[in-house]
Amino acid sequence: QQQVKQSPQSLIVQKGGISIINCAYENTAFDYFPWYQQFPGKGPALLIAIRPDVSEKKEGRFTISFNKSAKQFSLHIMDSQPGDSATYFCAASMDNDMRFGAGTRLTVKP
Amino acid sequence: DAGITQSPRHKVTETGTPVTLRCHQTENHRYMYWYRQDPGHGLRLIHYSYGVKDTDKGEVSDGYSVSRSKTEDFLLTLESATSSQTSVYFCAISERTEETQYFGPGTRLLVL
Repeated sequence: QQQVKQSPQSLIVQKGGISIINCAYENTAFDYFPWYQQFPGKGPALLIAIRPDVSEKKEGRFTISFNKSAKQFSLHIMDSQPGDSATYFCAASMDNDMRFGAGTRLTVKP
Repeated sequence: DAGITQSPRHKVTETGTPVTLRCHQTENHRYMYWYRQDPGHGLRLIHYSYGVKDTDKGEVSDGYSVSRSKTEDFLLTLESATSSQTSVYFCAISERTEETQYFGPGTRLLVL
């Protein structure tokens, strides 16, 4: 049973547009929610993370929105650029147990 | 890749043979993790370590064992490789639990 569900599987956005990726989790014990970015042939790298006591966190063009009651969180990429083309993974963690979503392949067209 | 190396980077092996993957860090981080990455599943935790000789199972630990005899090294062993263990394996490290995990470059394993 997948504890973190991520959508969409793939996303195509025009340069300058907004990319939105959504995740939903099952276990209310999760208390750390990171997003990772992965380029082909590389390991995932932390993009931004949030804890459940905060409803939104922004770092540059990247924003996490967090809805604790709905058990959902999302990543917004503003002014999307071709260099943002990558696979994005949401995750939810408690202690050392981190569960990842299946990933979203983002393509930003110039 | 935050001072993390994995070896080998690529390996082809046959069903039934033992395989050991190595993760080496130069960051002196306490926590080390092994994940496997498969299409449609994201990354799944195999085992993790919270100190020298201290390890615990993750979500998909069956068929895998680990050892950590030094802070800097975390070994993943497939005792008898099966085709279902064909995957990309990532090592990760972190200073504290529920903090940023830094991932290595990965090992691509093919079991024929």
